[in-house]
Amino acid sequence: ETGVTQTPRHLVMGMTNKKSLKCEQHLGHNAMYWYKQSAKKPLELMFVYSLEERVENNSVPSRFSPECPNSSHLFLHLHTLQPEDSALYLCASSQDDTGWFYGYTFGSGTRLTVV
Amino acid sequence: GQQVMQIPQYQHVQEGEDFTTYCNSSTTLSNIQWYKQRPGGHPVFLIQLVKSGEVKKQKRLTFQFGEAKKNSSLHITATQTTDVGTYFCAGVFSGNQFYFGTGTSLTVIP
Repeated sequence: ETGVTQTPRHLVMGMTNKKSLKCEQHLGHNAMYWYKQSAKKPLELMFVYSLEERVENNSVPSRFSPECPNSSHLFLHLHTLQPEDSALYLCASSQDDTGWFYGYTFGSGTRLTVV
Repeated sequence: GQQVMQIPQYQHVQEGEDFTTYCNSSTTLSNIQWYKQRPGGHPVFLIQLVKSGEVKKQKRLTFQFGEAKKNSSLHITATQTTDVGTYFCAGVFSGNQFYFGTGTSLTVIP
């Protein structure tokens, strides 16, 4: 257990579905992140939240919509996804929004398959 | 765009052999971090290097940051089967965003 919990672990959804990924951290960290991990590609930063405020959005398609209701919870709402969105979605947290010195603590990820 | 290149992509070694992965950038990095991801797992933070020429050790793992702060390496001495996984570097150019390398997948043959 890393202190960052993601649910569900696996998700299969059709292109017309709407689903949400959930992340919860129990570490008292102030920043939370969504990353996308695809085969043979570097980890891609999608969103950064610091103290519940979005500080970075790396040109992510609007079919991905983040929500951060408080510093412990982070959601990623999904709708009308494409097959190329199939990937491992990782949530991470850090003490501050730099991640310096102590790095990021990652959750176990949600393996998403879009059919 | 800003990117961090990592080589090799794959490495197979006999148990007991050494292993090295390299991380390179065309521009100066503010700092660099290393992560390990076990098969089927998630990245786990190993260490951060900040100073030019810095060397840090964790048991059989040695981490180096180049003098020009454009490259870094992770060296494992006498690999064990528990070292299996993918090793990622992540560098910061300016600002706070970390750019991850593509990782080196290490297989250790018993």
